[in-house]
Amino acid sequence: SAVISQKPSRDICQRGTSLTIQCQVDSQVTMMFWYRQQPGQSLTLIATANQGSEATYESGFVIDKFPISRPNLTFSTLTVSNMSPEDSSIYLCSVGPGLFDTQYFGPGTRLTVL
Amino acid sequence: AQKVTQAQTEISVVEKEDVTLDCVYETRDTTYYLFWYKQPPSGELVFLIRRNSFDEQNEISGRYSWNFQKSTSSFNFTITASQVVDSAVYFCALSVTNTGTASKLTFGTGTRLQVTL
Repeated sequence: SAVISQKPSRDICQRGTSLTIQCQVDSQVTMMFWYRQQPGQSLTLIATANQGSEATYESGFVIDKFPISRPNLTFSTLTVSNMSPEDSSIYLCSVGPGLFDTQYFGPGTRLTVL
Repeated sequence: AQKVTQAQTEISVVEKEDVTLDCVYETRDTTYYLFWYKQPPSGELVFLIRRNSFDEQNEISGRYSWNFQKSTSSFNFTITASQVVDSAVYFCALSVTNTGTASKLTFGTGTRLQVTL
């Protein structure tokens, strides 16, 4: 499977600021996804990061709040804008398709907003 | 729409006990994939197994085994002789494949397994 890294691994931010999370893969991948996991909750898909075009957002998530870039087949960023304490979550990127449609996940970014 | 239900929120067992984590799914598609992921306290999501809808053969990997039954829409996961290192949150997930590309995963709410000495 691909080796996926995320930066930063964790951060503590102030309300009203923005944070950009990076996801780097060691090989070219077709699909990249961003998920949010709120404390004690399951994972929810934020958007699919499309290479060379605008990301595809899921219901409840908007580009102004979570702008995403994907400049090439190995890299993507997710920005959490104008943060509030409700944005405190683990943000994970995943890549696919792997063998038989498997998605593999990065280590996650733990974000705390004060 | 897809749905995955993990009715067990938390399970506590003593080391060496066997434990089964339940997963029930809903989909109208005939082609789909089911997954189990493990999330240890570190937070990383670790892929454990994938099963496609046409393959109901059960699988065993060491102490892990999986029972897929389409008749009951279930994909249960059993850990035999549990160990403290098995303590984690386990997620069952479902994806519906369209044109061979990876589709989004629908996750269950997870089951927290606590294995004590």
